[in-house]
Amino acid sequence: DTGVSQNPRHKITKRGQNVTFRCDPISEHNRLYWYRQTLGQGPEFLTYFQNEAQLEKSRLLSDRFSAERPKGSFSTLEIQRTEQGDSAMYLCASSRQPGGSYEQYFGPGTRLTVT
Amino acid sequence: GQQLNQSPQSMFIQEGEDVSMNCTSSSIFNTWLWYKQDPGEGPVLLIALYKAGELTSNGRLTAQFGITRKDSFLNISASIPSDVGIYFCAGRTYNNNDMRFGAGTRLTVKP
Repeated sequence: DTGVSQNPRHKITKRGQNVTFRCDPISEHNRLYWYRQTLGQGPEFLTYFQNEAQLEKSRLLSDRFSAERPKGSFSTLEIQRTEQGDSAMYLCASSRQPGGSYEQYFGPGTRLTVT
Repeated sequence: GQQLNQSPQSMFIQEGEDVSMNCTSSSIFNTWLWYKQDPGEGPVLLIALYKAGELTSNGRLTAQFGITRKDSFLNISASIPSDVGIYFCAGRTYNNNDMRFGAGTRLTVKP
């Protein structure tokens, strides 16, 4: 068990470009969450999956954002037509439910800078 | 935005001192989690709480689930330099599957 991994760790892009991030959860975890964190704030929930089904989306997730988890394992988060306000740390977490706990384990994050 | 009020916002303490921070909510929570985050890294889970009144320890860390279910406390005893970082509380209400996070308490420990 190597924990939650995220790639890339850092991404610098120009405004208007599309970016895609990947998250690999802990292998036996069926739930996967995406959060966004800006400087001086705690993580803010974006969306979560149970297996391959996307069960909840925050109002923060504009139509430029899309997340997938096609096989119920890794997940991708794509941002289209990036804006400077999208600059943030994007965090992925995973957990095991039901029968487990609501403890979420985070990856190291992908820091996005939009210039 | 944040639904949890976490305080204090920052703390500057001397090595060896005890630390206390708390988190309050207007909603009743079923789960409280405490995390520590180092710069440029993801949050690391410290303690999880599931029952009102529950007191749980993890080494020098002790956290409590408030009896009203609207607050939680984290105490660190005999602080050391590696305790430096940002501590976040997170809570889950009964009808939500996602966690809401506080804005964090930034801890600085002077050797």
